[in-house]
Amino acid sequence: QVQLVESGGGVVQPGRSLRVSCVVSGFSLTDYDMNWVRQAPGKGLEWVAHLSYDGNIRYYADSVKGRFTISRDNSKTTVYLQMHSLSGEDTATYFCARASAGLYEAFDVWGQGTMVTVSS
Amino acid sequence: DIQMTQSPSSLSASVGDRVTITCRASQSVTTYLNWYQQKPGTAPRLLIYGASSLQSGVPSRFSGSGSGTTFTLTINSLQPEDFATYYCQQTSNTATFGQGTKVE
Repeated sequence: QVQLVESGGGVVQPGRSLRVSCVVSGFSLTDYDMNWVRQAPGKGLEWVAHLSYDGNIRYYADSVKGRFTISRDNSKTTVYLQMHSLSGEDTATYFCARASAGLYEAFDVWGQGTMVTVSS
Repeated sequence: DIQMTQSPSSLSASVGDRVTITCRASQSVTTYLNWYQQKPGTAPRLLIYGASSLQSGVPSRFSGSGSGTTFTLTINSLQPEDFATYYCQQTSNTATFGQGTKVE
């Protein structure tokens, strides 16, 4: 079945880097755009990054531009979010989500999330 | 960037009530407007896409309307499992979420 499973979260010191991953199953990344969305504790949802189905187009929220990079592996089953220069404001649960062009780019499948805590 | 504003931020309702949540965009998003439900400790769930289309498996008591800059999510006959936080999202230009509406 269609599934997204995130991993790689944890506690990281301010200024350091971390990479979180999202393994997909039940569909091909070459057919769907993928996104990362984060949610700080007790707060709302914030879209973070977008990768097009062909891997050629990337968009980022202003809050992470220049620090975060979205990518995927050549086997096209894993999406990554590489995060640099982390600060306390990046503390959040990070969700990967599939966007469906046929559904007005709505995010129709979500992973369970991985928690990233930035703290010394 | 397109800003999304939901109202109210929270509301109190009872089982059987009709609930309406409003979402306004800072510029037109045509019908690239989606609604999600989120319960504590879980990922969001897509309810409505394209402003008014019901996602597969979502109960028909949920409905959406609007176009351009003003949208509404309506829950008819609120059920116990509907107590949650609801978010609107525009996908006309990248993506932006509203701040959420907690139904309690």
